[in-house]
Amino acid sequence: DQQVKQNSPSLSVQEGRISILNCDYTNSMFDYFLWYKKYPAEGPTFLISISSIKDKNEDGRFTVFLNKSAKHLSLHIVPSQPGDSAVYFCAARTGANNLFFGTGTRLTVIP
Amino acid sequence: DTAVSQTPKYLVTQMGNDKSIKCEQNLGHDTMYWYKQDSKKFLKIMFSYNNKELIINETVPNRFSPKSPDKAHLNLHINSLELGDSAVYFCASSQVGQGRETQYFGPGTRLLVL
Repeated sequence: DQQVKQNSPSLSVQEGRISILNCDYTNSMFDYFLWYKKYPAEGPTFLISISSIKDKNEDGRFTVFLNKSAKHLSLHIVPSQPGDSAVYFCAARTGANNLFFGTGTRLTVIP
Repeated sequence: DTAVSQTPKYLVTQMGNDKSIKCEQNLGHDTMYWYKQDSKKFLKIMFSYNNKELIINETVPNRFSPKSPDKAHLNLHINSLELGDSAVYFCASSQVGQGRETQYFGPGTRLLVL
């Protein structure tokens, strides 16, 4: 039973434009959400997170939006850069418990 | 400096063999994890260890056994390897209790069972 879903396996965006990666979850008890970025042959690297008490968190070019009623979160990258090309994983958890990951979205930023 | 390291990076072995994957973290974290990423790219928790104690054990086959000689190491031993064990195994660590901690991942070990 996959509690975190990323329905788009891939996304291509032109350099300088906005990248929007989406994530849906089913467990209403999740109270903390994270985005990880993964390059080939490397482990996932933490990118940005958001608590369920917020609906937006911004860090430089990266912004995460949380819509609790829709059980949906998204990651916006603007402007997108070629170095952003990677696989992005959405993750969620309740309290200090384990993370549940989505299957990832491969972002390609075209120069 | 590598925060979370795993050895080996690649492991090719025959069905039925026993193998171990090692993980070390130099972050001073008190919790370490093992994840499995299967062919569908689904990253799933297998084990987590906190201060040498197994705190969560997901329903993985008992052929898999985590061993933690100290807080900085969490090794994964696999007995009687099967074809379905082929996957990428990631080790991670975190410091529980310091607010909303994040997990730091190793580079992964690519296991292929023939």
